[in-house]
Amino acid sequence: EDQVTQSPEALRLQEGESSSLNCSYTVSGLRGLFWYRQDPGKGPEFLFTLYSAGEEKEKERLKATLTKKESFLHITAPKPEDSATYLCAVSPSNYQLIWGAGTKLIIKP
Amino acid sequence: NAGVMQNPRHLVRRRGQEARLRCSPMKGHSHVYWYRQLPEEGLKFMVYLQKENIIDESGMPKERFSAEFPKEGPSILRIQQVVRGDSAAYFCASSPRENTGELFFGEGSRLTVL
Repeated sequence: EDQVTQSPEALRLQEGESSSLNCSYTVSGLRGLFWYRQDPGKGPEFLFTLYSAGEEKEKERLKATLTKKESFLHITAPKPEDSATYLCAVSPSNYQLIWGAGTKLIIKP
Repeated sequence: NAGVMQNPRHLVRRRGQEARLRCSPMKGHSHVYWYRQLPEEGLKFMVYLQKENIIDESGMPKERFSAEFPKEGPSILRIQQVVRGDSAAYFCASSPRENTGELFFGEGSRLTVL
């Protein structure tokens, strides 16, 4: 069964304290892995797509990496505005996404 | 350039009533997806539509739930005879092409069933 597991469920960091979020997956035929950010009361906002092991993508303080079984979202020197829930999803088919439950990130000033 | 518009943002229904959720995709997008989100759970795929066609409704319960995306007007997710277990946030997303996981989401419709 296709499955996505994110850890930790919640992460509290001080401003400037770097860390990583994990997304492990089991899927039959990965077409892509996606990271989204979701703010409270809002819809998810697309961040990155990764297609193959070894691929990396960066955007401001965020860097996403991919291996054959998991992906990491690295956050370098985070700021309070980086506080959000970060969602990971995989695409086993052309259009259907399987989502993790998310990691709630809280950055304290 | 308006984003994906969903309405209503909040909807309260009593058991047995009908709920209609509307979604206008981004301009130029002809692919619409509906997802359901429960607290502390991941988004669950419900249905994928293109203009006037249902492509995949495998994630949608066969009873009481239906979706459409007419030639003109918004996509509609309809839930008949709602039950308390239908309470959730329903998100619509759109994309300009098929075969992509890069979706543009609306802000969701939060359904509460009393």
